[in-house]
Order: sequence, then C-alpha cells, then structure tokens
Amino acid sequence: NAGVTQTPKFQVLKTGQSMTLQCAQDMNHEYMSWYRQDPGMGLRLIHYSVGAGITDQGEVPNGYNVSRSTTEDFPLRLLSAAPSQTSVYFCASSYSESSGRLFFGEGSRLTVL
Amino acid sequence: AQTVTQSQPEMSVQEAETVTLSCTYDTSESDYYLFWYKQPPSRQMILVIRQEAYKQQNATENRFSVNFQKAAKSFSLKISDSQLGDAAMYFCAYSYTGTASKLTFGTGTRLQVTL
Repeated sequence: NAGVTQTPKFQVLKTGQSMTLQCAQDMNHEYMSWYRQDPGMGLRLIHYSVGAGITDQGEVPNGYNVSRSTTEDFPLRLLSAAPSQTSVYFCASSYSESSGRLFFGEGSRLTVL
Repeated sequence: AQTVTQSQPEMSVQEAETVTLSCTYDTSESDYYLFWYKQPPSRQMILVIRQEAYKQQNATENRFSVNFQKAAKSFSLKISDSQLGDAAMYFCAYSYTGTASKLTFGTGTRLQVTL
C-alpha cells in the first residue's frame, strides 16, 4: 500500500515564487491535514480538511492555501514564498476527524532563499 | 489552548538499558488522547503508542510502555531493553477526543542509544 504520498521531497525556492506541495492518500480517508516542522518547535497544524470540499485553518495558516476537490488529494499552496516558510512539511490522513489514528507522509523539505 | 511540554531536549541510554522520556500537558478537557511518535533520521513519523484518557490502565506496546498520571497531567514513555534502532526524536502529542486527528505536539526529545 502506498499510504500517504508527498511530492516533491525536496524543493528550493526564491522569495516570492509560488509552488504547490502535493499530497495523495489511497486509504479512502476522510480527514487530511498539513503540518510544518521547525527546529525546536515540534509539528504545528497549518490546514486540515474533514472531507472533499471542506477545509479549515489550523494553528499557523498564514501564507498557505488549500483545497480539497477529491477525497484522495489535499495540495498545499504557497502563493508567494517567504524565508519564514523554510521548513519540513508533513501531510497526514486519518479515517475521520475523531479517529485519532494519523498516517503521515515522508515529509517535504522546503528551503526559501 | 492545549499545550504539550517536553522538558528533556536530549536523552542518552546504553543499549539494553531502560530510559524514560517525560511529557506534561495542559488541558481543560476530560476526554482526550495522548500519543508518542517516533521520528528516525528518515523523517517518517511513526506512532509508538496511544493512550485514551478515560482508560486507567497504562498502554503498552512490546518494549514501550507509558505512565499516565491524569491528575498530574503527566504522560511519560518508558523504553525497555533499548536497541540501536530506538535512536530517534520522540514527540509527545495530545488531541481532544471530539477532534482526535488534530494533534498538538511537544517540542521533542532526541534519544541517543550508545553501545
């Protein structure tokens, strides 16, 4: 089983550029989410979705957009990258918002110069 | 807001010995989950153990066990018979039962395992 797949695994951007981090899951999970991991700060929730067509903000949503047009995909968009968005990004999914059993992707390391 | 505190940035243990990682949390809820995740150098987040707050019995998974003290809001992880493969970052996390997939993480403890 592929589980949760993130692409790309590494990316370098210049300030002001835009890009999309892709996330796909093949487990028919309703709930999907994006976290960022910064040194000394653990993982913080950016955005989440409880189903196709429904998204909401997490703890640190500024500078990021998401959409959920299908159950399988949950892309994270950076419209104008800033150095403060240099981080490792994780996508995670679970059967439902109340399940508490998250499956994580392998992470995407993003560097903004 | 809920907070999760891991006060040990780094810990070290000798192979085959036992080590305990500490975690405290703050919440006004009575129904919640607590988790320990392992992050090896590969970056993959791996669920080690999960505790449901309403269960008094401490969760165990093979060599991994927790000491859950609800009144003290403490949730420590004990690793017995430590192995070289246990070397990783360990994150404690909390979620409210109603939105159990929205996790709040601690800052992590880096565990070294020495020969």
